[in-house]
Amino acid sequence: SAVISQKPSRDICQRGTSLTIQCQVDSQVTMMFWYRQQPGQSLTLIATANQGSEATYESGFVIDKFPISRPNLTFSTLTVSNMSPEDSSIYLCSVEGWTSGSYEQYFGPGTRLTVT
Amino acid sequence: AQSVTQPDIHITVSEGASLELRCNYSYGATPYLFWYVQSPGQGLQLLLKYFSGDTLVQGIKGFEAEFKRSQSSFNLRKPSVHWSDAAEYFCAVGLYYNQGGKLIFGQGTELSVKP
Repeated sequence: SAVISQKPSRDICQRGTSLTIQCQVDSQVTMMFWYRQQPGQSLTLIATANQGSEATYESGFVIDKFPISRPNLTFSTLTVSNMSPEDSSIYLCSVEGWTSGSYEQYFGPGTRLTVT
Repeated sequence: AQSVTQPDIHITVSEGASLELRCNYSYGATPYLFWYVQSPGQGLQLLLKYFSGDTLVQGIKGFEAEFKRSQSSFNLRKPSVHWSDAAEYFCAVGLYYNQGGKLIFGQGTELSVKP
Protein backbone atom coordinates (compact mmCIF):
# COMPACT_ATOMS: atom_id res chain seq x y z
CA SER A 1 0.00 0.00 0.00
CA ALA A 2 1.03 3.61 -0.48
CA VAL A 3 1.58 6.14 2.28
CA ILE A 4 0.31 9.59 1.42
CA SER A 5 0.94 12.85 3.21
CA GLN A 6 -0.74 16.18 2.67
CA LYS A 7 0.22 19.71 3.62
CA PRO A 8 -1.23 21.68 5.22
CA SER A 9 -3.47 19.51 7.36
CA ARG A 10 -5.81 22.44 7.89
CA ASP A 11 -5.97 26.14 7.17
CA ILE A 12 -8.22 29.11 7.63
CA CYS A 13 -8.13 31.52 4.71
CA GLN A 14 -9.77 34.78 3.76
CA ARG A 15 -12.06 35.01 0.78
CA GLY A 16 -10.38 36.07 -2.42
CA THR A 17 -7.07 34.42 -1.58
CA SER A 18 -5.62 31.16 -2.89
CA LEU A 19 -4.27 28.09 -1.13
CA THR A 20 -2.00 25.41 -2.56
CA ILE A 21 -2.30 21.91 -1.11
CA GLN A 22 0.56 19.48 -1.47
CA CYS A 23 0.29 15.71 -1.79
CA GLN A 24 3.35 13.48 -1.40
CA VAL A 25 3.40 9.72 -1.98
CA ASP A 26 6.07 7.33 -0.76
CA SER A 27 6.21 5.44 -4.05
CA GLN A 28 5.95 6.23 -7.74
CA VAL A 29 2.39 6.19 -9.04
CA THR A 30 0.91 6.90 -12.43
CA MET A 31 -2.41 8.37 -11.46
CA MET A 32 -3.30 10.72 -8.65
CA PHE A 33 -6.78 11.94 -7.82
CA TRP A 34 -8.09 15.00 -6.01
CA TYR A 35 -11.43 14.83 -4.19
CA ARG A 36 -13.50 17.38 -2.34
CA GLN A 37 -15.68 16.61 0.66
CA GLN A 38 -17.97 19.47 1.55
CA PRO A 39 -19.28 19.65 5.14
CA GLY A 40 -21.58 16.74 5.87
CA GLN A 41 -21.32 15.51 2.30
CA SER A 42 -19.76 12.67 0.39
CA LEU A 43 -16.61 12.80 -1.70
CA THR A 44 -16.64 14.22 -5.19
CA LEU A 45 -13.81 13.85 -7.66
CA ILE A 46 -12.31 17.15 -8.78
CA ALA A 47 -9.72 15.90 -11.25
CA THR A 48 -7.34 13.14 -12.23
CA ALA A 49 -3.67 14.04 -12.55
CA ASN A 50 -1.24 12.01 -14.62
CA GLN A 51 2.42 12.87 -14.67
CA GLY A 52 3.44 14.67 -17.82
CA SER A 53 -0.02 15.61 -19.01
CA GLU A 54 -2.75 18.07 -18.22
CA ALA A 55 -5.14 17.11 -15.46
CA THR A 56 -8.58 15.87 -16.44
CA TYR A 57 -11.35 17.74 -14.67
CA GLU A 58 -14.80 16.46 -13.78
CA SER A 59 -17.96 18.26 -14.70
CA GLY A 60 -18.41 21.33 -12.56
CA PHE A 61 -14.70 21.84 -11.87
CA VAL A 62 -12.45 24.06 -13.98
CA ILE A 63 -8.73 24.55 -14.24
CA ASP A 64 -8.86 28.27 -13.49
CA LYS A 65 -10.44 27.57 -10.12
CA PHE A 66 -8.53 24.39 -9.26
CA PRO A 67 -5.17 24.35 -11.07
CA ILE A 68 -3.24 21.14 -10.55
CA SER A 69 0.43 20.39 -11.00
CA ARG A 70 2.02 16.95 -11.32
CA PRO A 71 5.75 17.50 -11.72
CA ASN A 72 6.82 13.92 -10.99
CA LEU A 73 5.52 10.48 -10.06
CA THR A 74 5.40 11.09 -6.30
CA PHE A 75 4.04 14.61 -5.95
CA SER A 76 1.08 16.78 -6.90
CA THR A 77 -0.43 20.08 -5.86
CA LEU A 78 -3.98 21.40 -5.96
CA THR A 79 -4.59 25.13 -5.75
CA VAL A 80 -7.93 26.51 -4.67
CA SER A 81 -8.07 29.94 -6.27
CA ASN A 82 -10.02 33.08 -5.42
CA MET A 83 -11.65 31.31 -2.51
CA SER A 84 -15.16 31.87 -1.24
CA PRO A 85 -16.87 30.38 1.82
CA GLU A 86 -18.39 27.73 -0.47
CA ASP A 87 -14.90 26.31 -0.94
CA SER A 88 -14.75 25.33 2.72
CA SER A 89 -14.23 21.58 2.49
CA ILE A 90 -11.86 18.75 3.12
CA TYR A 91 -9.62 18.17 0.12
CA LEU A 92 -8.17 14.69 -0.26
CA CYS A 93 -5.66 13.26 -2.66
CA SER A 94 -5.54 9.60 -3.51
CA VAL A 95 -3.47 7.24 -5.58
CA GLU A 96 -4.23 4.00 -7.30
CA GLY A 97 -2.50 0.76 -6.49
CA TRP A 98 -2.67 -2.89 -7.38
CA THR A 99 -3.09 -5.06 -4.30
CA SER A 100 -4.16 -8.68 -3.90
CA GLY A 101 -5.04 -9.00 -7.55
CA SER A 102 -7.17 -5.91 -7.93
CA TYR A 103 -7.13 -2.15 -7.87
CA GLU A 104 -7.73 -0.01 -4.87
CA GLN A 105 -7.24 3.62 -3.95
CA TYR A 106 -5.28 4.91 -1.01
CA PHE A 107 -6.24 8.24 0.48
CA GLY A 108 -4.26 10.92 2.16
CA PRO A 109 -5.37 12.34 5.53
CA GLY A 110 -6.99 15.34 3.88
CA THR A 111 -6.66 19.11 4.15
CA ARG A 112 -9.43 20.83 6.05
CA LEU A 113 -10.00 24.28 4.55
CA THR A 114 -12.14 26.97 6.10
CA VAL A 115 -12.77 30.16 4.16
CA THR A 116 -13.96 33.20 6.08
CA ALA B 1 -24.98 7.30 -15.47
CA GLN B 2 -23.01 5.61 -12.75
CA SER B 3 -24.23 6.16 -9.22
CA VAL B 4 -24.10 4.77 -5.72
CA THR B 5 -26.96 5.00 -3.25
CA GLN B 6 -26.75 4.49 0.48
CA PRO B 7 -30.37 4.68 1.62
CA ASP B 8 -29.63 5.15 5.31
CA ILE B 9 -28.13 8.50 6.28
CA HIS B 10 -27.83 7.64 9.95
CA ILE B 11 -28.05 4.33 11.83
CA THR B 12 -27.85 3.74 15.56
CA VAL B 13 -27.15 0.28 16.95
CA SER B 14 -26.39 -1.03 20.41
CA GLU B 15 -22.93 -2.27 21.17
CA GLY B 16 -22.79 -6.02 20.54
CA ALA B 17 -25.69 -5.95 18.09
CA SER B 18 -25.35 -6.90 14.46
CA LEU B 19 -25.02 -4.30 11.72
CA GLU B 20 -25.97 -4.09 8.07
CA LEU B 21 -25.33 -1.00 5.96
CA ARG B 22 -27.00 -0.92 2.58
CA CYS B 23 -25.44 0.06 -0.73
CA ASN B 24 -26.92 -0.03 -4.20
CA TYR B 25 -25.04 0.86 -7.36
CA SER B 26 -25.76 1.61 -10.97
CA TYR B 27 -23.00 0.68 -13.41
CA GLY B 28 -23.13 -1.03 -16.77
CA ALA B 29 -19.96 -3.07 -16.53
CA THR B 30 -18.63 -5.43 -13.88
CA PRO B 31 -18.04 -3.16 -10.92
CA TYR B 32 -15.16 -2.72 -8.59
CA LEU B 33 -16.89 -2.09 -5.25
CA PHE B 34 -15.42 -0.68 -2.09
CA TRP B 35 -16.39 0.15 1.46
CA TYR B 36 -14.43 2.88 3.24
CA VAL B 37 -14.69 4.13 6.80
CA GLN B 38 -13.98 7.67 7.94
CA SER B 39 -13.61 8.32 11.64
CA PRO B 40 -14.00 11.89 12.92
CA GLY B 41 -11.04 13.96 11.83
CA GLN B 42 -9.47 11.02 10.04
CA GLY B 43 -8.86 10.11 6.44
CA LEU B 44 -10.50 7.29 4.56
CA GLN B 45 -9.60 3.72 5.40
CA LEU B 46 -10.44 0.85 3.08
CA LEU B 47 -12.50 -1.84 4.81
CA LEU B 48 -12.89 -4.23 1.89
CA LYS B 49 -13.27 -4.47 -1.86
CA TYR B 50 -14.85 -6.68 -4.50
CA PHE B 51 -13.89 -7.18 -8.12
CA SER B 52 -14.58 -10.77 -8.98
CA GLY B 53 -14.73 -14.24 -7.50
CA ASP B 54 -16.41 -15.08 -4.24
CA THR B 55 -19.31 -12.73 -3.72
CA LEU B 56 -18.83 -12.73 0.05
CA VAL B 57 -15.83 -10.59 0.85
CA GLN B 58 -14.04 -10.41 4.16
CA GLY B 59 -12.42 -7.20 5.29
CA ILE B 60 -10.63 -5.68 8.21
CA LYS B 61 -12.07 -5.09 11.68
CA GLY B 62 -14.46 -8.03 11.34
CA PHE B 63 -16.49 -6.55 8.48
CA GLU B 64 -17.79 -8.47 5.50
CA ALA B 65 -19.83 -7.54 2.44
CA GLU B 66 -21.87 -9.50 -0.04
CA PHE B 67 -22.10 -8.64 -3.71
CA LYS B 68 -25.49 -9.44 -5.26
CA ARG B 69 -25.49 -8.72 -8.96
CA SER B 70 -29.22 -9.38 -9.35
CA GLN B 71 -29.97 -6.69 -6.77
CA SER B 72 -27.08 -4.36 -7.70
CA SER B 73 -26.19 -4.34 -4.03
CA PHE B 74 -23.06 -4.54 -1.91
CA ASN B 75 -24.21 -4.46 1.70
CA LEU B 76 -21.75 -4.25 4.56
CA ARG B 77 -22.23 -6.41 7.65
CA LYS B 78 -20.70 -7.00 11.03
CA PRO B 79 -22.00 -9.58 13.48
CA SER B 80 -21.17 -7.65 16.65
CA VAL B 81 -20.57 -3.92 16.70
CA HIS B 82 -18.01 -2.28 18.97
CA TRP B 83 -18.15 1.29 20.24
CA SER B 84 -15.06 2.07 18.17
CA ASP B 85 -17.02 1.31 14.99
CA ALA B 86 -18.86 4.62 15.31
CA ALA B 87 -17.89 6.49 12.14
CA GLU B 88 -19.01 7.45 8.65
CA TYR B 89 -19.14 4.63 6.13
CA PHE B 90 -18.91 5.16 2.40
CA CYS B 91 -19.68 2.73 -0.39
CA ALA B 92 -17.99 3.41 -3.72
CA VAL B 93 -17.83 2.01 -7.23
CA GLY B 94 -14.55 2.17 -9.13
CA LEU B 95 -14.73 3.00 -12.80
CA TYR B 96 -11.87 1.17 -14.45
CA TYR B 97 -13.14 0.75 -17.97
CA ASN B 98 -12.11 3.76 -20.02
CA GLN B 99 -12.70 6.06 -17.08
CA GLY B 100 -9.32 6.10 -15.46
CA GLY B 101 -10.14 4.44 -12.20
CA LYS B 102 -12.07 7.20 -10.47
CA LEU B 103 -14.37 6.40 -7.59
CA ILE B 104 -18.02 7.34 -7.35
CA PHE B 105 -19.07 7.54 -3.73
CA GLY B 106 -22.41 7.12 -2.06
CA GLN B 107 -23.74 9.74 0.30
CA GLY B 108 -22.41 7.95 3.34
CA THR B 109 -24.03 6.37 6.39
CA GLU B 110 -23.22 7.69 9.82
CA LEU B 111 -23.10 4.93 12.41
CA SER B 112 -23.70 5.67 16.07
CA VAL B 113 -23.17 2.99 18.71
CA LYS B 114 -25.14 2.98 21.95
CA PRO B 115 -23.47 1.57 25.06
